[in-house]
Amino acid sequence: AQSVSQHNHHVILSEAASLELGCNYSYGGTVNLFWYVQYPGQHLQLLLKYFSGDPLVKGIKGFEAEFIKSKFSFNLRKPSVQWSDTAEYFCAVSTTGGGADGLTFGKGTHLIIQP
Amino acid sequence: DAGITQSPRHKVTETGTPVTLRCHQTENHRYMYWYRQDPGHGLRLIHYSYGVKDTDKGEVSDGYSVSRSKTEDFLLTLESATSSQTSVYFCAISALGGRETQYFGPGTRLLVL
Repeated sequence: AQSVSQHNHHVILSEAASLELGCNYSYGGTVNLFWYVQYPGQHLQLLLKYFSGDPLVKGIKGFEAEFIKSKFSFNLRKPSVQWSDTAEYFCAVSTTGGGADGLTFGKGTHLIIQP
Repeated sequence: DAGITQSPRHKVTETGTPVTLRCHQTENHRYMYWYRQDPGHGLRLIHYSYGVKDTDKGEVSDGYSVSRSKTEDFLLTLESATSSQTSVYFCAISALGGRETQYFGPGTRLLVL
């Protein structure tokens, strides 16, 4: 079974700071990778995803992530954060076995941006 | 946003009572999922469905059952609610299962007293 580890449970940054949230997964086969964001009181929204191809993927709201296969990592980045980025961020994986494959989530990173 | 609704959105119940949560989709997607979200655990898969009357267990299925009699509806039942089932429950849908993005509903906040 796969597992996902997010290194930082709580991150506090000032506006305009750069952001990098770590995500590592464990699984011996091919995976699909996702970052979801949950704004306070809201449901999960997809930020970006990686299935194949260019390992640097760009998502909404200026976020990007890089898949490094050798490190089993899919870190999320943003060059300059805004107060509105305050939210909880989840990394998730699914396998590519072709079945129903629910997502396996990390425990989340609570990001607070201070004005 | 994907056409997913969940009902009820909030519920308070007592230990030992049965509870049914409903997920309804208008996207005609084949795959549907139930997750629970708890602080410090992220989201964990309870049950999923890969078609009408086709369901299977996820990581934390004990104490839960599901049914899917129509493509658009996926029901989650707590046969006898316990305080450990206090959580936020999210439904998700996907057109191609693990090979495609899952879209999430607004969630149901359940408190078991």
